[in-house]
Amino acid sequence: DGGITQSPKYLFRKEGQNVTLSCEQNLNHDAMYWYRQDPGQGLRLIYYSQIVNDFQKGDIAEGYSVSREKKESFPLTVTSAQKNPTAFYLCASSIGLLAGVVNEQFFGPGTRLTVL
Amino acid sequence: GEDVEQSLFLSVREGDSSVINCTYTDSSSTYLYWYKQEPGAGLQLLTYIFSNMDMKQDQRLTVLLNKKDKHLSLRIADTQTGDSAIYFCAERTGTASKLTFGTGTRLQVTL
Repeated sequence: DGGITQSPKYLFRKEGQNVTLSCEQNLNHDAMYWYRQDPGQGLRLIYYSQIVNDFQKGDIAEGYSVSREKKESFPLTVTSAQKNPTAFYLCASSIGLLAGVVNEQFFGPGTRLTVL
Repeated sequence: GEDVEQSLFLSVREGDSSVINCTYTDSSSTYLYWYKQEPGAGLQLLTYIFSNMDMKQDQRLTVLLNKKDKHLSLRIADTQTGDSAIYFCAERTGTASKLTFGTGTRLQVTL
């Protein structure tokens, strides 16, 4: 089955600790994305990557870091510099930069991060 | 700049039609999308419309696009309790692969 997976589903972190959220896809998609979801604020883009070994900041990149060493994987690290990290984190992937293609984003099931 | 807005909440009775509205600001949008999110889960694409269309119908779903007013709507006919979820509109501008999402509308279906 093709799809996108995120782990863990729930994550607890103490203040001051870095934590890494996993995102893997086997859809052969070039583009991958990380969003943060807070109640009443919709989805906000943290980082995105259009191709391996390249990524760009989204609207709220401060306090986060990513890597894209493999096409299938786009891990997100929430650093201690992120002041309010408790949220629901969603990873997505899409075909990528082909004009005229619908470019549907496929979403993982999400990781709920809670800072204690 | 890009900004996509939706009302936060809509309540309808089972069997009625639901209409969820969305406004956007970027006139260069190429595709507009509707996604559904069930509790504690990721988003699933429901339907999309290309910017040169003004209507698209897909079974119980009808999408209307008013490009002049930058207004998008999703109509769900014969709304069922299984339609209860958060609905997000999203826009894609130009050839960029990233999307801008609205704030989401929580649809509550009552018996």
